[in-house]
Amino acid sequence: AQSVTQPDIHITVSEGASLELRCNYSYGATPYLFWYVQSPGQGLQLLLKYFSGDTLVQGIKGFEAEFKRSQSSFNLRKPSVHWSDAAEYFCAVGQDNNAGNNRKLIWGLGTSLAVNP
Amino acid sequence: KAGVTQTPRYLIKTRGQQVTLSCSPISGHRSVSWYQQTPGQGLQFLFEYFSETQRNKGNFPGRFSGRQFSNSRSEMNVSTLELGDSALYLCASSWGGTGSGTDTQYFGPGTRLTVL
Repeated sequence: AQSVTQPDIHITVSEGASLELRCNYSYGATPYLFWYVQSPGQGLQLLLKYFSGDTLVQGIKGFEAEFKRSQSSFNLRKPSVHWSDAAEYFCAVGQDNNAGNNRKLIWGLGTSLAVNP
Repeated sequence: KAGVTQTPRYLIKTRGQQVTLSCSPISGHRSVSWYQQTPGQGLQFLFEYFSETQRNKGNFPGRFSGRQFSNSRSEMNVSTLELGDSALYLCASSWGGTGSGTDTQYFGPGTRLTVL
């Protein structure tokens, strides 16, 4: 069965420091991979997604992620964290239904990011 | 373009009652998916509707049901509420048509349901 693991439940970084959030997935075929961010009291906002092609994906707010098939990983990175990046980050893998429409997302449990001033 | 809207934002019910949550997708989007978010289980897929038909379903009991109207608005219903149904219920919309396997799901702010 498909699954997503985010090994770090909580991470604290200093403002201006670099950030890497880990995500490992289990999926038999080529995965559709996503990173979403959720601020307190808010819904989920898509940061970036990978479907095919270049394994380094650029997203919004200065985030990027790299797909590594050999490691079944899709880690999220940002070179310099801002205080406004404090939020919950979710990695998800899309599961195809028989029609090839990717509508069902399997989620990791999230990583809570705190940013020290 | 207006985003995904969900009503109500907050709801308090007691065990045994039923509840209906509403989701209005982004204009032009025909797919609506529902997710349950809890601290212990994280985000779990409930079901997806496309053109008024349920197209995907998660592993939830039959107490959880949904429907979609011709204008793509969707409702989900939970009958005979249990304490464990307390959660944030998120709705996501996307274009959803054939060959849309890579389109993005846009989320609403959620409905916070508390069951006492």
